[in-house]
Amino acid sequence: ETGVTQTPRHLVMGMTNKKSLKCEQHLGHNAMYWYKQSAKKPLELMFVYSLEERVENNSVPSRFSPECPNSSHLFLHLHTLQPEDSALYLCASSQAGRGVVTDTQYFGPGTRLTVL
Amino acid sequence: AQKVTQAQTEISVVEKEDVTLDCVYETRDTTYYLFWYKQPPSGELVFLIRRNSFDEQNEISGRYSWNFQKSTSSFNFTITASQVVDSAVYFCALSEANNFNKFYFGSGTKLNVKP
Repeated sequence: ETGVTQTPRHLVMGMTNKKSLKCEQHLGHNAMYWYKQSAKKPLELMFVYSLEERVENNSVPSRFSPECPNSSHLFLHLHTLQPEDSALYLCASSQAGRGVVTDTQYFGPGTRLTVL
Repeated sequence: AQKVTQAQTEISVVEKEDVTLDCVYETRDTTYYLFWYKQPPSGELVFLIRRNSFDEQNEISGRYSWNFQKSTSSFNFTITASQVVDSAVYFCALSEANNFNKFYFGSGTKLNVKP
């Protein structure tokens, strides 16, 4: 595997289900990101992990719960979602840290989530 | 206020035409980075270019070229002799050195290239 991979690619869930999205990066990066892309809206940054520590959480509802067990893996745990949470969820990674200039974010193919 | 503005929501051209996608940004930082990404229908954002604020040289890569002008806070992207495979949504993004983790994305321009 190369680059950033995401599973599953498509997910349909009911409002009472619990599911998880998985992201894995094979680039040796140390920062990972979750974005939400809804129809006709700009990309919304949800969570940022740098060196496995959460450094940014953009006021995301608690029904979304991220987990970063190591620098290569990132999860997004979902529970009791709403239909308006239906969107494309994109994962990205980069090499970033204090004293390191901004590096390019590389994206995975996304998980298309539909909440019924 | 939007940090990155892509005023063109959708553009349609016929194959072989040249097309320019506009991007205007806003920042008070002297050190920042600008990016362009392509999002084909498959969904993945594909990195195209990164530019830092100290390098105003225009860049050309094959049929793609970028015009960075600090005086007008613009970073425009031109595709020469467009092809059907160029059809996608293109995003411009800004990252400021004082908050390196955060990318500000524009709302994207959907490019339709018709045969």
